[in-house]
Amino acid sequence: EVQLVESGGGLVQPGGSLRLSCAASGFTFSSYDMSWVRQAPGKGLEWVSVISFSGATTFYADSVKGRFTISRDNSKNTLYLQMNSLRAEDTALYYCTKETVGSDCYDYWGQGTLVTVSS
Amino acid sequence: AIRMTQSPSSFSASTGDRVAITCRASQGISSSLAWYQQKPGEAPNLLIYAASTLQSGVPSRFSGSGSGTDFTLTISSLQSEDFATYYCQQYYSYPFTFGPGTKVDIK
Repeated sequence: EVQLVESGGGLVQPGGSLRLSCAASGFTFSSYDMSWVRQAPGKGLEWVSVISFSGATTFYADSVKGRFTISRDNSKNTLYLQMNSLRAEDTALYYCTKETVGSDCYDYWGQGTLVTVSS
Repeated sequence: AIRMTQSPSSFSASTGDRVAITCRASQGISSSLAWYQQKPGEAPNLLIYAASTLQSGVPSRFSGSGSGTDFTLTISSLQSEDFATYYCQQYYSYPFTFGPGTKVDIK
């Protein structure tokens, strides 16, 4: 059974940093591109970032480019999101997602980890 | 970035109704479109990918159509468990983008 379990969320002051983790199991982690998608409270879905299966290629939403860094450790089956210079508008539930085979959409989602940026 | 729009933003319907939700891309995305369903307090669930391919385990009352810039999600006979918010997503080019969502509630 595929499982994606996020952790690392919490309350942080504006300008602060957090690192999110996503522990994956039930599939060959090193074979799949992985992404982060976020959802602000009461709002819609926003794509954040993707990393290729090898970790060699990454892309970011304009809203987080230069502040967030996606990475992965295939030996630990874990995806990361380092978030720096956090802003109030980064407050959201952050989902870890696995891409489907053959299509760059998401067949599995974690339960999300909540990041709150507030003073 | 490719901008995705959805219509309507919300509507009310009854069990048994045939409903359709439209998604439009600001530029052509071929068939690189997915549809998700999200219920309150839950993560989104993939319904349709490649514009018209039903994800494994999704009931056949859901169907998708379209290509290029205009897409439709159709529910042939709305069931009680289908009252939810639906999102489209383009994965034609980065940054990937989602539509703003369409909320379907009970009339």
